[in-house]
Amino acid sequence: ETGVTQSPTHLIKTRGQQVTLRCSSQSGHNTVSWYQQALGQGPQFIFQYYREEENGRGNFPPRFSGLQFPNYSSELNVNALELDDSALYLCASSPRTGALGETQYFGPGTRLLVL
Amino acid sequence: AQSVTQLGSHVSVSEGALVLLRCNYSSSVPPYLFWYVQYPNQGLQLLLKYTSAATLVKGINGFEAEFKKSETSFHLTKPSAHMSDAAEYFCAVSFPGGSQGNLIFGKGTKLSVKP
Repeated sequence: ETGVTQSPTHLIKTRGQQVTLRCSSQSGHNTVSWYQQALGQGPQFIFQYYREEENGRGNFPPRFSGLQFPNYSSELNVNALELDDSALYLCASSPRTGALGETQYFGPGTRLLVL
Repeated sequence: AQSVTQLGSHVSVSEGALVLLRCNYSSSVPPYLFWYVQYPNQGLQLLLKYTSAATLVKGINGFEAEFKKSETSFHLTKPSAHMSDAAEYFCAVSFPGGSQGNLIFGKGTKLSVKP
């Protein structure tokens, strides 16, 4: 069984650019959540996708957007990058509806550096 | 507002000693509670979770945690630390009425194990 995978592993961008991060969910999982983990902090919830629809969103501006594809893989897009967007971006998948209490399985993350 | 507090950003123990990592939450309704571990340059791995069944929860690698409603706590313990336990540990909660899939994480506790 393949776990959650993310690409790329590392990325360097400059302020104002746009970035796309990718996530493949664990086999059999139809729900994907994205988190931002700044240095020295715990992860913060960005949003969740269930069956290609956004199913919940944290306190992040609209320049953070996402997609989920029919195979349940997902993308996180960030426009107009700011220095504070530098962080580890984690993707997590879960097997059903992303209901409360359901275990989320995390990928290794993409480390983004904005200069 | 719901929140999670992890007391102690850094805990150091000797190999073979008791590990105690503290987590307190703030909520007016019973939450679901999780402990995750993060090894360097990796994603998060679930250690254990509480979803309103038994208050003492056993997880992987010899860890366990006890939900104490009166103290709003969910401390993580392991009787005997091993060198391989050195990592960062995150307590997380999700709340009924919260955004679907929204795990709220504490800031983490870095565990060091001395030989």
